[in-house]
Amino acid sequence: VQLVQSGAEVKKPGESLQISCKTSGYSFATYWIGWVRQMPGKGLEWMGIIYPDDSDTKYSPSFQGQVTISADKSISTAYLQWRSLEASDTAMYYCARHQGEWGQGTLVTVSS
Amino acid sequence: EIVMTQSPATLSVSPGERATLSCRASQSVSTNLAWYQQKPGQAPRLLIYGASTRATGVPARFSDSGSGTEFTLTISSLQSEDCAVYYCQQYTNWPWTFGQGTKVEIK
Repeated sequence: VQLVQSGAEVKKPGESLQISCKTSGYSFATYWIGWVRQMPGKGLEWMGIIYPDDSDTKYSPSFQGQVTISADKSISTAYLQWRSLEASDTAMYYCARHQGEWGQGTLVTVSS
Repeated sequence: EIVMTQSPATLSVSPGERATLSCRASQSVSTNLAWYQQKPGQAPRLLIYGASTRATGVPARFSDSGSGTEFTLTISSLQSEDCAVYYCQQYTNWPWTFGQGTKVEIK
């Protein structure tokens, strides 16, 4: 099982962004997969999860309306998207399979 | 939202000694609890989930106990490579929530 995330991003406030998590080695459609934020020097927070088979998606209240989580079953890939980034979005973002493996992380830096 | 509280914040243990980490939930999570290990600069790694099921490749020195609201992760004989931050996480109710972490260091 592997979860491989897209590379680090440096963005300006107000810009949009989509990061990805390409998976292999398991049945992508039938496991919950989600995104976890880790701000610099801080702990872990689940942002949201998606069940790729039917696209059922749940968001943590802190992230509802701030990000969009999606999945493409045809290429076993999950996505995390922002429409308008803020400096406070600067963090490491991990994708993680429920009760399973994690991606290596994508560092997102938002600075003017 | 279920609040997970871990103690202690930092644990110093001599090599070969036992390390005991605690995790408390604000309401019952049954056995829907996972433990993760995060070393500096690395992604978290799943150690244990459900009814004390160790993830693939996790050494037998890691074990957990508990159900409901009180859980314990035990490292039976601490090795230098076990220095890390350990997080508990409940997945009974959404949003899934983590504890704030316990840092384990070598004394």
